[in-house]
Formats: sequence, C-alpha cells, structure tokens
Amino acid sequence: GQQVMQIPQYQHVQEGEDFTTYCNSSTTLSNIQWYKQRPGGHPVFLIQLVKSGEVKKQKRLTFQFGEAKKNSSLHITATQTTDVGTYFCAGGYQKVTFGTGTKLQVIP
Amino acid sequence: DAGVIQSPRHEVTEMGQEVTLRCKPISGHNSLFWYRQTMMRGLELLIYFNNNVPIDDSGMPEDRFSAKMPNASFSTLKIQPSEPRDSAVYFCASSGTGGDTQYFGPGTRLTVL
Repeated sequence: GQQVMQIPQYQHVQEGEDFTTYCNSSTTLSNIQWYKQRPGGHPVFLIQLVKSGEVKKQKRLTFQFGEAKKNSSLHITATQTTDVGTYFCAGGYQKVTFGTGTKLQVIP
Repeated sequence: DAGVIQSPRHEVTEMGQEVTLRCKPISGHNSLFWYRQTMMRGLELLIYFNNNVPIDDSGMPEDRFSAKMPNASFSTLKIQPSEPRDSAVYFCASSGTGGDTQYFGPGTRLTVL
C-alpha cells in the first residue's frame, strides 16, 4: 500500500532559526495536505497543494509540491515558540494516508 | 459553527470490557473518518464512510473493532472485548462534498488496563 515518510522524525531548533520537514511518498499523489498538531491537541489543516511544482506561502510557512508529485516540503522561516508541534503531510483523495510526522521543538 | 464532536474525551476501562466511542461530524459533511494515534504507529486510518456507507475498513485491526454510521450526524466505533494494546487516542474527522480537507475532533484518549 501507499507509504508516506517524513524526515526528520524530530527537530529541535533555537527560536529564530529556520526549519524544514520533508515528505516522501512511495506513489504519485493526486494532492498533498499539511496538518499541524499541537501537543495534546488534534491535527489541524494548514494547506493543500494540487499542482506539480506548486509553491504556497502562509506568512512564515512555505509549502512546496514536487515536480513528480511524490514529495513535498514545509519550510518555516524564523521559528517562534508558537510553531511547536508535530507537522504531518497527507496524500490522496478520500482515503488519505498521513505521513509519519515531524515533531518540532523550539527552544526559546 | 460547532466542529467535530467526540465523546467521551477520556475513557479508562479494564481489559475485556466493551468500549464505545462516539462522533458527531460537522453538519453538511458527507465523509467521516476514524483514526487511531499511538507513539509507535503514528496516525492510522481505521475506516471511513461516505454518505453513511463504509467505503474502506481495511485499517480496522481485527474483528474486535466495529464502526457504524446510522445517520449523517452520528457514528460509533466499538471495541469488544478491549485489550491493553488498544490504548491510544482515537480521532474522528469529517470532510465535505468534493473536499479533501479533514476536520478533526478533539479525540478520545482510551486507556485499557
């Protein structure tokens, strides 16, 4: 079945540093979604990418969908303590497969 | 607008007991998903419904697990009998027609002793 891996599994950064998480699928994806889960919370939708090579920005967050639609990345510029949480990518329509997640810790 | 509602928020039970988790999706959404989250296995899709019909239950771990959606505003996930390895956070999520965005409920933290 489809597998979606994310690296790194954990990342500790100093506040103000940049952060990137990478998402790789074993199969071509129709779309990619990104979710954020705060500690003790539930996944919250951030964004969806559909087109090959698509890049979208949300303030300090930049999302990219690979040309082959098998990988994606999320980059956060100048991290803040509010960015703490686990970031998941998810691919597919209806039967969405969630990635393994990257847990981000920001040290003030 | 109310989001996805799940109950109970926390459940502690003993091995062998029946557990029923409940979910009320967002009004107007036609797809409903049940997930299980553990440290070891991450976020796993157990089953999803479209227009109250189960579409894919391949993620249901075994026959002890069953899910129903009797109407568009209610779903249950039942575990009978429960085992300690079922301890996890169970999330329900819903999405609208033609949409992929899933809206998650707050989850039910299940502990089986």
